[in-house]
Amino acid sequence: AQRVTQPEKLLSVFKGAPVELKCNYSYSGSPELFWYVQYSRQRLQLLLRHISRESIKGFTADLNKGETSFHLKKPFAQEEDSAMYYCALMDSSYKLIFGSGTRLLVRP
Amino acid sequence: GAVVSQHPSWVICKSGTSVKIECRSLDFQATTMFWYRQFPKQSLMLMATSNEGSKATYEQGVEKDKFLINHASLTLSTLTVTSAHPEDSSFYICSARREHTGGKSPLHFGNGTRLTVT
Repeated sequence: AQRVTQPEKLLSVFKGAPVELKCNYSYSGSPELFWYVQYSRQRLQLLLRHISRESIKGFTADLNKGETSFHLKKPFAQEEDSAMYYCALMDSSYKLIFGSGTRLLVRP
Repeated sequence: GAVVSQHPSWVICKSGTSVKIECRSLDFQATTMFWYRQFPKQSLMLMATSNEGSKATYEQGVEKDKFLINHASLTLSTLTVTSAHPEDSSFYICSARREHTGGKSPLHFGNGTRLTVT
């Protein structure tokens, strides 16, 4: 079954601390994975996709097929990173399957 | 960047009435649009895939006669909640796929529509 699991509902860190938002997936084919972010009162927006192997706003995510994970990381969290983060998997028909989301709270 | 506009942003309607939500891709053509539903503090759940010029494909458990989807043009898809009931109150979000080279193209999301049925 296709599934995306984000085990943490809330992650609270202090400014400047490292952040790792966990994401595990279950998919029989070759997955394409994304991280979306939703800031307060704003629309859902793409943060990064695994195929691009890029770093956006200091965030990176590496696809680990052996562990079926796509964890989102940032070495030094900023207050403006506080938001809801969703890991998502796109299947062969372009449907996005979302994880339950993790709220990141960066304290000053 | 790609922009998806959703209208209205919020709507309150009486039980038994119908509500139409529009989703437009403003600067690109979208052969495929998706409709999601998000309950408070929950994740987005796909309701249906809207295909331009053909019938929508509904996910299991979604009533196609209750949630009518029309994708009349390459830039517009509409979701009509018919005979709305209080349990239909939710946040409805549309997304559109823009053709992209290199892997599957990401989806671009509208701002969402908060529907409250009284």
